[in-house]
Formats: sequence, structure tokens, C-alpha cells
Amino acid sequence: GENVEQHPSTLSVQEGDSAVIKCTYSDSASNYFPWYKQELGKGPQLIIDIRSNVGEKKDQRIAVTLNKTAKHFSLHITETQPEDSAVYFCAASQGSQGAQKLVFGQGTRLTINP
Amino acid sequence: GAVVSQHPSWVICKSGTSVKIECRSLDFQATTMFWYRQFPKQSLMLMATSNEGSKATYEQGVEKDKFLINHASLTLSTLTVTSAHPEDSSFYICGYEQYFGPGTRLTVT
Repeated sequence: GENVEQHPSTLSVQEGDSAVIKCTYSDSASNYFPWYKQELGKGPQLIIDIRSNVGEKKDQRIAVTLNKTAKHFSLHITETQPEDSAVYFCAASQGSQGAQKLVFGQGTRLTINP
Repeated sequence: GAVVSQHPSWVICKSGTSVKIECRSLDFQATTMFWYRQFPKQSLMLMATSNEGSKATYEQGVEKDKFLINHASLTLSTLTVTSAHPEDSSFYICGYEQYFGPGTRLTVT
């Protein structure tokens, strides 16, 4: 089955700097890769996603890149702000419309230092 | 995106009792929903796939007789933790496609 590895487990950056979180997946059949932000005591919030027919997607300060050949994808957050502090999870799944069951990475605790 | 709600948001129960968690889809009809479990400082792990009108599909290692799932309508899936034990204490989250509910914190004393 699918296995998703996420790095780093913790990341601390200065406010205004960029943060990058990386994930690798094992199953070449996976074609949908969402990223989630989870705050303490809350459910995961979808922040951006990408499908395997696209190499990059951007939404304001957040971008995701996908390298299908290498089976890795990354989350980029620019101009970080204190409210970006949270745990971020990558995930992978298969499905043509909507995600089927998701396999998650281990999570990255991001801390933005003012 | 789809809006998923859960109830209760937190629950405390005594060891040996059962507790039911509800997951509702508010603005869509769902033939399939997913139940995940998250232990403190860990990732989300899929427990089971809830199928409307039929039996749930459980992931390897998840006891189907302990975690009863019922998906009787297109807008409601329920997870019942039977004969709960302290090790069942966790954060239970339901999801529809790539969208998730707010989660239910279960504490078994």
C-alpha cells in the first residue's frame, strides 16, 4: 500500500521568511495530493491540493509543487505570519473525482517566531 | 468545499461503556465517508470506510466489533465505540473526500 514520508517533523522560521515542507510517496498510482493545516483540538483544514496532471499550484502565499517522476511534493509558504503556526500534514490518495481514502504523512509542527 | 459536522465535540465516558459519535454532511449527500483516528502528537490513521446502505470496510488491525459504523442515510454516519477502554481515548475525525469534520475528543476514564 501507499506510504507517505514527511520532513521535517519540526520547523521554526522567522516571521516573514519562507517555509518549505517536503513529502515523498511510494505508490505511483496516487494522483491526488492535498495539504492540511491542523490547529490544536481541531480537525484538519484543507489549504491547497494538487493533482498529478499539474506540476505546480499557487494560492496567494501558499504553493505546492509535484514531481511525479521522483514521487515527491512540497508545500511552500512565503511571507510567513504568526498565524501560520500549526501542524501541517501532507497526504496522498487515488481517485478521479474527490479523494478516496487518504494516507497521511507524519506531520510537521511549524512555528513562526515574531 | 464540503461541510462536515461532528457531534459531540468532546466526550468523557467510563471504561466499559459505549459512546456514539455522529458525522453529518451539511451541504451534500455522501455515499462514502471515512473515519480516522489521531493519537496525541501523531498523524491521522484511517480506521474504516463507511458505505451508505451497506457494511463498513475496516482497515487492517481495526476491530469491527469494537468500532461499529452505521451509515443509514446519505447525510449521517455514526461511529460507536463499544466497551470503551482508556486506550481508546483519542481524537476521532470523519471525512468526506478531502474534507474533514472538526473531530471528537474521546476520553475514557
